[in-house]
Amino acid sequence: NAGVTQTPKFQVLKTGQSMTLQCAQDMNHNSMYWYRQDPGMGLRLIYYSASEGTTDKGEVPNGYNVSRLNKREFSLRLESAAPSQTSVYFCASSPLDRGRTEAFFGQGTRLTVV
Amino acid sequence: AQSVTQLDSQVPVFEEAPVELRCNYSSSVSVYLFWYVQYPNQGLQLLLKYLSGSTLVESINGFEAEFNKSQTSFHLRKPSVHISDTAEYFCAVSEPGGYQKVTFGTGTKLQVIP
Repeated sequence: NAGVTQTPKFQVLKTGQSMTLQCAQDMNHNSMYWYRQDPGMGLRLIYYSASEGTTDKGEVPNGYNVSRLNKREFSLRLESAAPSQTSVYFCASSPLDRGRTEAFFGQGTRLTVV
Repeated sequence: AQSVTQLDSQVPVFEEAPVELRCNYSSSVSVYLFWYVQYPNQGLQLLLKYLSGSTLVESINGFEAEFNKSQTSFHLRKPSVHISDTAEYFCAVSEPGGYQKVTFGTGTKLQVIP
């Protein structure tokens, strides 16, 4: 049972480069999320997709774009990476976009922008 | 807007000693409360949650948390910790609605000393 799978696990980018973080879940969840985790700041929501075909901005969406490719997959794209985007990125999913249901997290992508 | 405060960024404790990890929140409406645990190099996973009903909730590995509405707290406790409990613990608060309304605390690193 894979749960939420993120690729890659590690990535180093040069400033200005672009890349896409991939996320897939096999739990048939409707809702998917992208968070970034920075020391001393907890997790902050970047974008979310409450259901297939919809995406919305979270708390810190600037510099990112997302695509909900199908029910299983939700990708995060950095068009022009900046050092401020150095972080650990987590994809998560939940059965419904309800605050009362917990999220299931992937293992994270550690991104360094130099 | 809601907020979550985890005052202790690190808590060292000897093995088999009790521990309390503190979480306070502020919100103008009824909330749902969660504790997540993050082991090194892994994603977050749900430890326990309070939605309604009994204010004392327990996890399968001996942790418990009590919802105190008057003190707006949801402290996490364990009477006797093990080395395997070494991890980072995140408190999260959610207002009714979608995941854009979930706020994570900044985390508390629990270090269990042999």
